Formats: sequence, structure tokens, C-alpha cells
Amino acid sequence: DTAVSQTPKYLVTQMGNDKSIKCEQNLGHDTMYWYKQDSKKFLKIMFSYNNKELIINETVPNRFSPKSPDKAHLNLHINSLELGDSAVYFCASSQGTGGEQFFGPGTRLTVL
Amino acid sequence: KQEVTQIPAALSVPEGENLVLNCSFTDSAIYNLQWFRQDPGKGLTSLLLIQSSQREQTSGRLNASLDKSSGRSTLYIAASQPGDSATYLCAVRKAAGNKLTFGGGTRVLVKP
Repeated sequence: DTAVSQTPKYLVTQMGNDKSIKCEQNLGHDTMYWYKQDSKKFLKIMFSYNNKELIINETVPNRFSPKSPDKAHLNLHINSLELGDSAVYFCASSQGTGGEQFFGPGTRLTVL
Repeated sequence: KQEVTQIPAALSVPEGENLVLNCSFTDSAIYNLQWFRQDPGKGLTSLLLIQSSQREQTSGRLNASLDKSSGRSTLYIAASQPGDSATYLCAVRKAAGNKLTFGGGTRVLVKP
């Protein structure tokens, strides 16, 4: 009955590798988000999609590329991983672009 | 640029005491404000969403107030329990389609 799910939960990889994180929501929402929570626990928006269209794209290196194959899925691909990419990445969804947001459990990415 | 502040960063209270958590924001032109709870190593759980036209929202032991003109929201948790121990985050949205801007959170410890 998980509302917003992410895979994998943990990801440990070497610098320079490419990796993907997947997100799925079964709430029937039309808007999805990616957030990054750094070591100081600050949460910052990275991207947002509404009906598969990109509507928010914060100042994120273009090594990060989101993809929304349908309204229920939003994936994040990261190229050429760097040490500074180590963080917890959260997916969220909402109904409408101003609705209450529901978060996934997070993916802890560690770049060695 | 919207800035969201939560003071104090940490709070410890004995069980049964009422909790008062503060959130302040610099730009009073907001669309809505959302309170979240985050347990260690977990995702965010939505607690309450207050629209800009509302003064307060209630859910069980939780009550959140909003004073846009002074740029403040307060989350009250009545009769705190050890299970209320977590980090509480507030986030504001300027307009539908805009990002949520998060505060740094208040880490709460309720001692039995």
C-alpha cells in the first residue's frame, strides 16, 4: 500500500559512474518532484513534473536528468557522479501543482 | 527570495507538556504552508497543509496557525508523547506551480 516508493533505498558507487533512481506513486497524482537533502539536512527542490511536463528545474548540474515516462513515475539519472552528489534524494507527489505533497522514503546515495 | 527559519533548532520537553514549534518566512505572499515530520532515516510525513486564506488547521493533537502578515506559522502539539520525537519541518510555497521552500527543521525530543 506504499503511496510513494523509491528504488533503491541505498546506493553506493564510485566517482565517475552513472546511476539511476526510480520513483513511483500510486496516489493518482499528476505532479511529481525530486528533492535533495544534504548532510546538514536541508531539503532543496531539484525538479518538478506536472503531467509529464517539466515545470521546475532548479540550478542543478546537467549531469542530473529527470525523466517522467508517465504521471505515476519520475526517474532520476545521474551521470559522472561526484563526491558532492552524496545525499539523500527524495521523491514526492501532489495532486495539482499547489497540492499537499507526499514523500517517498528516500534513496541514500554515497559516492566514494 | 523566500527564506524560511525555524527556531529553535532543537527542543527537549518532558512527556505530557505541550509543544510549540515556530516557523517564520520572509515573503508574506505565500500560496500555502505545509508542516512535515521526519523520523531519523525516513522520509517526510505530511502533517498539515494550510492554505493562504486559512488561519489554522487542526488534526487530532496537532494545530497549526498561520499569520501571513507577520510571516509566521506555529505548530502546536498537545500533550506530547515520546512517539512525537522527530524533526519537524515547515515549508512554504509562493504560488501554485512554484517550489516548496523548506526551513531547517526543529528536532524534538520528548522524554518519558
